[in-house]
Amino acid sequence: GAVVSQHPSWVICKSGTSVKIECRSLDFQATTMFWYRQFPKQSLMLMATSNEGSKATYEQGVEKDKFLINHASLTLSTLTVTSAHPEDSSFYICSARADRSTDTQYFGPGTRLTVL
Amino acid sequence: ILNVEQSPQSLHVQEGDSTNFTCSFPSSNFYALHWYRWETAKSPEALFVMTLNGDEKKKGRISATLNTKEGYSYLYIKGSQPEDSATYLCAFHNNDMRFGAGTRLTVKP
Repeated sequence: GAVVSQHPSWVICKSGTSVKIECRSLDFQATTMFWYRQFPKQSLMLMATSNEGSKATYEQGVEKDKFLINHASLTLSTLTVTSAHPEDSSFYICSARADRSTDTQYFGPGTRLTVL
Repeated sequence: ILNVEQSPQSLHVQEGDSTNFTCSFPSSNFYALHWYRWETAKSPEALFVMTLNGDEKKKGRISATLNTKEGYSYLYIKGSQPEDSATYLCAFHNNDMRFGAGTRLTVKP
């Protein structure tokens, strides 16, 4: 149980285009989903927290107009990188939590984004 | 310590060796400490959630201890096997989750 899928697993796009990444909880309802970013040899850095049906909470330094997050259902959250630039190239990974009492986050396998 | 630090950054051991690595975290405002196992091209897998000072948890050949007063946790692997090769992440949990950069373990047959 507690499986989270993420799609696509990798994507290459041209500078200036937008890319959408989907995160799905397959066998549980996720009241909260998290989006992280990881640069090589660095820690997972939290970008934003999204609760179903409400606006995402972004961490300091993360542009909300650049990284659009939608959490329209209890099983799906999307991250759209708008007008992507080479510096947005990174590894993006989502996680989902069923409820606050468990604390454990279940992760997707991540998406490698390369912007040319 | 303000950040979560893991050491060593990478580790190579022979099959059958026992090994351990460290996660250091802020000793104030502690809520929980999480350990994850992350194999290449797969999702990080939750290993342990530790909440009490002195906690010791075990899952097969893997165990972990927690010292919240001094701000560290150890992960031990007894009799390492090639399938244990992965990156082991710890995350310090108070208001949010703060991850270490991980320890990359390679077990050679």
